[in-house]
Amino acid sequence: ETVLTQSPATLSLSPGERATLSCRASQSVSRYVAWYQHKPGQAPRLLIYDASNRATGIPARFSGSGSGTDFTLTITTLEPEDFAVYYCQQRDTWQGLITFGQGTRLEIK
Amino acid sequence: EVQLVESGGGLVQPGGSLRLSCAASGFTMSNYWMTWVRQAPGQGLEWVANINQDGTRKNFVDSVKGRFTISRDNAKNLLDLQMNSLRGEDTAVYYCAREVLNWVDPWGQGTLVTVSS
Repeated sequence: ETVLTQSPATLSLSPGERATLSCRASQSVSRYVAWYQHKPGQAPRLLIYDASNRATGIPARFSGSGSGTDFTLTITTLEPEDFAVYYCQQRDTWQGLITFGQGTRLEIK
Repeated sequence: EVQLVESGGGLVQPGGSLRLSCAASGFTMSNYWMTWVRQAPGQGLEWVANINQDGTRKNFVDSVKGRFTISRDNAKNLLDLQMNSLRGEDTAVYYCAREVLNWVDPWGQGTLVTVSS
């Protein structure tokens, strides 16, 4: 089973700043990592799939990169609505098992 | 519009059972794996179970194996999660979602399950 480890657990930044969130896999997952944004009381929202592809309707300030075991979600200029919890996720292609990282809380400084 | 709507959550005593349902619309459910994800209070997202397009393959997280079952009715566009022998640690918001290749999208709004005496 692949374990995803996200860092940092909490990131305190101000609107207008740049956010860099990391996700490390315990073994290579090629480029099969997705990123989600989750706000209280709402459904999680897909941001990035296959490491670097923005989902439909996601603003260009969100970008993803990485392959193998190390992945990054970058938000170039933080907007007030970007403060939320972010999760990375991978799916075992053969068995179909899904795992999530433990999440990074992006909070207003 | 692709939409997923969960129902069936509520308060149940430890050891009890509950059946969650998810109604899908706006897409052909029979073309996709479907999945359940939960979030316990103050915790992160945890994948629970999934099922392939024709219901012949099912996977579960270790903590629910033998207690939860997953099923689907493609003719009615319904996904179910039968939860038996419920424990306090099963208390969570349960989300139904569609799997697209290696990612999950969209998600339902969730239904709250509370296991307490």
